[in-house]
Amino acid sequence: EPEVTQTPSHQVTQMGQEVILRCVPISNHLYFYWYRQILGQKVEFLVSFYNNEISEKSEIFDDQFSVERPDGSNFTLKIRSTKLEDSAMYFCASSPPGLSGNTIYFGEGSWLTVV
Amino acid sequence: KNEVEQSPQNLTAQEGEFITINCSYSVGISALHWLQQHPGGGIVSLFMLSSGKKKHGRLIATINIQEKHSSLHITASHPRDSAVYICAVSSNTGNQFYFGTGTSLTVIP
Repeated sequence: EPEVTQTPSHQVTQMGQEVILRCVPISNHLYFYWYRQILGQKVEFLVSFYNNEISEKSEIFDDQFSVERPDGSNFTLKIRSTKLEDSAMYFCASSPPGLSGNTIYFGEGSWLTVV
Repeated sequence: KNEVEQSPQNLTAQEGEFITINCSYSVGISALHWLQQHPGGGIVSLFMLSSGKKKHGRLIATINIQEKHSSLHITASHPRDSAVYICAVSSNTGNQFYFGTGTSLTVIP
């Protein structure tokens, strides 16, 4: 069964460093998403991406964050200058073409620890 | 403010019991999603609903659009159902998602 894959599974970085989290969505999907979950808290929406541009973003997704789809397969989340409070599990997800609200397929997540 | 409220927050059941988890939302939605988060953290989509009822195996999800309420039912619960169940809604203004805090379910053999 096709799946969303994310790398790295775990990354430890020093505060102030740039981090890039990578995702390979399912190949025929057109909608891509990043979410995060701080330990012990609920999942939070960060950004959705469609047709090579951001379609929605939350208040969390400030200027420190950016997303790219540099080629036909990867979808990346960049955090420019990490802060301690960026420590969280970051989930990538994708959904197939069609109306918004289709089933979402999640990756296994990337644990980011900022020290 | 929480756009999505779930209850209960925690639930312990004996194997075989019928389980209901409730979700209420306050925003206009295009769809409601029930997700399962395993102890290791991975998230699996169980259902996507915009109306009525869906069934998959021992899982049933219902939604009442007028009342802005959904329920997830598990029949004949099993220890392997132990997980966090999350209700999420996709807004009707675009591809924005709002998540509930999750219901932690433990099924005891």
